[in-house]
Amino acid sequence: DVVMTQSPLSLPVTLGQPASISCRSSQSLVYSDGNTYLNWFQQRPGQSPRRLIYRVSNRDSGVPDRFSGSGSGTDFTLKISRVEAEDVGVYYCMQGTHLYSFGQGTKLEIK
Amino acid sequence: EVQLVESGGGLVQPGGSLRLSCAASGFTFSSYWMSWVRQAPGKGLEWVANIKQDGSEKYCVDSVKGRFTISRDNAKNSLYLQMNSLRAEDTAVYYCAREGVYLHDSSAYYYWGQGTLVTVSP
Repeated sequence: DVVMTQSPLSLPVTLGQPASISCRSSQSLVYSDGNTYLNWFQQRPGQSPRRLIYRVSNRDSGVPDRFSGSGSGTDFTLKISRVEAEDVGVYYCMQGTHLYSFGQGTKLEIK
Repeated sequence: EVQLVESGGGLVQPGGSLRLSCAASGFTFSSYWMSWVRQAPGKGLEWVANIKQDGSEKYCVDSVKGRFTISRDNAKNSLYLQMNSLRAEDTAVYYCAREGVYLHDSSAYYYWGQGTLVTVSP
């Protein structure tokens, strides 16, 4: 089974400041088709998860461009260039190369 | 508009059974892999199980093997999760989610339902 490890688990950020979340997998997420199936989700309080990023760095429609994803192999990062109040919630990475598994989640709060 | 609506959650005693349903609309249900993801109260997301379009392939997490069965009825545009021998640790909100046309597909997990709460308690 692929274990996804996120850090930090808690992320207090001042409004307007950048934020960064790391996600590491226990195995390479590069699939035989050459793609890397690593997604990022946002879950606001009381809501279902919302996909933000797919295949490492592709933003979903309607996702603000302050969100960006990067990485390769086993190391991935979600960055928010300038945190806004609406970004409060829990962020999860999820791999879809070896079936599916999620990271533990990173709780972003405003400092 | 894609909609996924879960139902069937509730309170059940340890050792009991429950069947969850997910009604899909707004897309060609029979063309997609489908899945269940759960979230224990105050905890993170856990992938539970998925099923291929024709039901010929199914996968699940080790913790539910032998107890949970995923199934679908394409004629009714519905996904199911039969949960037997329930334990306290199965208490969670269960989400239905659409995967892709292929097992490895960039469209997977874009659409989610609102979830249904299962509580396992005496």
